[in-house]
Amino acid sequence: GAGVSQTPSNKVTEKGKYVELRCDPISGHTALYWYRQSLGQGPEFLIYFQGTGAADDSGLPNDRFFAVRPEGSVSTLKIQRTERGDSAVYLCASSGTRTDTQYFGPGTRLTVL
Amino acid sequence: AQSVTQLDSQVPVFEEAPVELRCNYSSSVSVYLFWYVQYPNQGLQLLLKYLSGSTLVKGINGFEAEFNKSQTSFHLRKPSVHISDTAEYFCAVRTMNRDDKIIFGKGTRLHILP
Repeated sequence: GAGVSQTPSNKVTEKGKYVELRCDPISGHTALYWYRQSLGQGPEFLIYFQGTGAADDSGLPNDRFFAVRPEGSVSTLKIQRTERGDSAVYLCASSGTRTDTQYFGPGTRLTVL
Repeated sequence: AQSVTQLDSQVPVFEEAPVELRCNYSSSVSVYLFWYVQYPNQGLQLLLKYLSGSTLVKGINGFEAEFNKSQTSFHLRKPSVHISDTAEYFCAVRTMNRDDKIIFGKGTRLHILP
């Protein structure tokens, strides 16, 4: 497909466990963003990559959250020692260098029990 | 810093009636403005965007929005809604740095009454 894809679509884990969420951006898009959407809220920015480097990680809530994009394409959001408050939909978006539009994936719904 | 306020968390409206979803923003720098729609169990989809030029912007599915700089508003309108318009609508802003993050409002749930 031509859109942003995210896996898994749903993830249920227990408090204290480690999780990884994956994002495949649109081919050729150099900018990649992660957002978190809690119930009843709008998406909130977490981190932005330009190529392989994190250009802005000011939205990461604490050091349990980390994201990588080693080859400038696929990105993985990693959450250590998950807490119940981490339960949310994690959204990924990508944009090209010559466009102003961010295209969003369907999201990963994370539930921490 | 930028912020977005969507004044209504829910808007009920009868089918075929007009609707306006309100959005106000705050920013110390010039911004781009967006409306995104999220249909049930689907991802965010861009409805329309204001970058520059005409303050009246037309989007998909018959929606339009008007940028009002003096009132810092970007209200979304549709003259006649359909049941298929049932969704969550998000107003958003971004600075004019092309790669900057988007700041979203909390969303307005549009509920179409038969």
